[in-house]
Amino acid sequence: DGGITQSPKYLFRKEGQNVTLSCEQNLNHDAMYWYRQDPGQGLRLIYYSQIVNDFQKGDIAEGYSVSREKKESFPLTVTSAQKNPTAFYLCASSIGPDTEQFFGPGTRLTVL
Amino acid sequence: ILNVEQSPQSLHVQEGDSTNFTCSFPSSNFYALHWYRWETAKSPEALFVMTLNGDEKKKGRISATLNTKEGYSYLYIKGSQPEDSATYLCASFSGAGSYQLTFGKGTKLSVIP
Repeated sequence: DGGITQSPKYLFRKEGQNVTLSCEQNLNHDAMYWYRQDPGQGLRLIYYSQIVNDFQKGDIAEGYSVSREKKESFPLTVTSAQKNPTAFYLCASSIGPDTEQFFGPGTRLTVL
Repeated sequence: ILNVEQSPQSLHVQEGDSTNFTCSFPSSNFYALHWYRWETAKSPEALFVMTLNGDEKKKGRISATLNTKEGYSYLYIKGSQPEDSATYLCASFSGAGSYQLTFGKGTKLSVIP
């Protein structure tokens, strides 16, 4: 089955620790995205990548880092520099930057 | 940052009622408008991607219209069913050098059986 997987579904970390969220897709999409959702807010873009080995900052990139070494994978690292990391994180992919996006199931990160 | 606004924030309708929501977005540098449906415990799913002024798209009982000159889109649901209960997100793509969607906060629809 084609789709996007994110793991884990729930993640708990202590304050000050870096944590990496996984996102994999087998849709052969060039573009991939990371969003964050907070209560009462719309989805906000953290980083996006239009092609392998290239990525750009979104609106709220501070405290996050990404890599795009393979077309299928776009991991997101939440660093200790992120001031409010507790949130729901969604990964998405699309054929191109202006086409519909396909979303993963999300990871809920709680920093204790 | 684009400002995409959705109204109402939430609404409750009776099964069988028809309803509609509004999405407003900046009309300058407009390229595309997306609608997504996000059911609880599931991933958001695309409903429509619209680009042309006057576009109308339909999927079953759900339809959408687009006015790019005044910067708004309507989503209509005819004869609401309990399975239509979800949060409906709209997102604008400006294409003005920054290839990203800007999402509104969504309209949460609850259909009462």
